[in-house]
Amino acid sequence: GAVVSQHPSRVICKSGTSVKIECRSLDFQATTMFWYRQFPKQSLMLMATSNEGSKATYEQGVEKDKFLINHASLTLSTLTVTSAHPEDSSFYICSAEGGIDEQYFGPGTRLTVT
Amino acid sequence: QKEVEQNSGPLSVPEGAIASLNCTYSDRGSQSFFWYRQYSGKSPELIMSIYSNGDKEDGRFTAQLNKASQYVSLLIRDSQPSDSATYLCAVSRTGANNLFFGTGTRLTVIP
Repeated sequence: GAVVSQHPSRVICKSGTSVKIECRSLDFQATTMFWYRQFPKQSLMLMATSNEGSKATYEQGVEKDKFLINHASLTLSTLTVTSAHPEDSSFYICSAEGGIDEQYFGPGTRLTVT
Repeated sequence: QKEVEQNSGPLSVPEGAIASLNCTYSDRGSQSFFWYRQYSGKSPELIMSIYSNGDKEDGRFTAQLNKASQYVSLLIRDSQPSDSATYLCAVSRTGANNLFFGTGTRLTVIP
């Protein structure tokens, strides 16, 4: 149980384009999902908390107009990186909340912006 | 002061030995504590959760929590080369619904 999927697993896009990443909880419902970013050899950095049916809560320093989050159902949250630039290249990981504060992570999406 | 602190390592242990990973946290009111394992290039995988003082054992893994001293540790018995990974400590802080992660300890088990 507690399986979270992400799609795509890897994406390469040109600078200035937008990329959408999907995060799905496959066998449980998740009112809350989280989006993280991880640069090489660094720890996870929380970008935003996504709550079903309401606006996401962004961490300080994360541009909400650049990283659009939609959590339209209890099993799906999406992150859209708008007007991507090379500095946005990173490993994006979502997680879904299940159990007592437990988070289950998706496999991650490696974004490369050329 | 960081919310959650871990020794970044690397920590190297021989195969079959006990690996001991430590984590301290700053918020005394924290209630939920987790250990995640992350292989290189992969996302974190939950391996242990602990909510009350004392030890919690699951197979070769034992999590230890001491709220008075504000530390949580993970012991890996009979370490295997496949245990080589970065271990992340995460803490749920009072009043927040997100987890605070440490920077991780890189463990290498030498065959």
